[in-house]
Amino acid sequence: SQQGEEDPQALSIQEGENATMNCSYKTSINNLQWYRQNSGRGLVHLILIRSNEREKHSGRLRVTLDTSKKSSSLLITASRAADTASYFCATGPLSGSRLTFGEGTQLTVNP
Amino acid sequence: DTAVSQTPKYLVTQMGNDKSIKCEQNLGHDTMYWYKQDSKKFLKIMFSYNNKELIINETVPNRFSPKSPDKAHLNLHINSLELGDSAVYFCASSQEGSTDTQYFGPGTRLTVL
Repeated sequence: SQQGEEDPQALSIQEGENATMNCSYKTSINNLQWYRQNSGRGLVHLILIRSNEREKHSGRLRVTLDTSKKSSSLLITASRAADTASYFCATGPLSGSRLTFGEGTQLTVNP
Repeated sequence: DTAVSQTPKYLVTQMGNDKSIKCEQNLGHDTMYWYKQDSKKFLKIMFSYNNKELIINETVPNRFSPKSPDKAHLNLHINSLELGDSAVYFCASSQEGSTDTQYFGPGTRLTVL
């Protein structure tokens, strides 16, 4: 089973609305990262949150981490059509040597 | 300048052929990776090299052989290509360990006919 599982699998909103994506994981982590993938492109790192952090902001992005629930959320505020992409969470385990990516949320922002 | 580059971007070939994908990073990172992304966008790590040494080797068929001539390059050679090898292959690099922020190349879409 996947370490990171995103929810929902697909999300369609109107420009200007907020988009929230969730990620759940199973084992203890050192950090959790969010990446964006535009169609036909490579993944781009958005934000990294460490296990001792609860919230982090970067521009219109807000990430929260709840280690007791083993979950994280990515909030994109005031969405734009250019935010249309797949969003992946990736967990860096406490003991382990690799990131494990979730299956992604496909976000569509309609103009 | 492109941080992580891969060539070719598209690769269409027949079953049974041997092909290579090249990757270069100009970020000065010590660690490089190969990932495979299937049609459902599931991303799975294949290999990781740190300063030219193999550190992660997932359960990948031995038809896949990575080669790192120096820490800025990690190439992927695939022998006897099969239909199931069709996917997008991504190279990535990171400055520190394998759980650090990773920088991805643009991907190589491999289609095996």
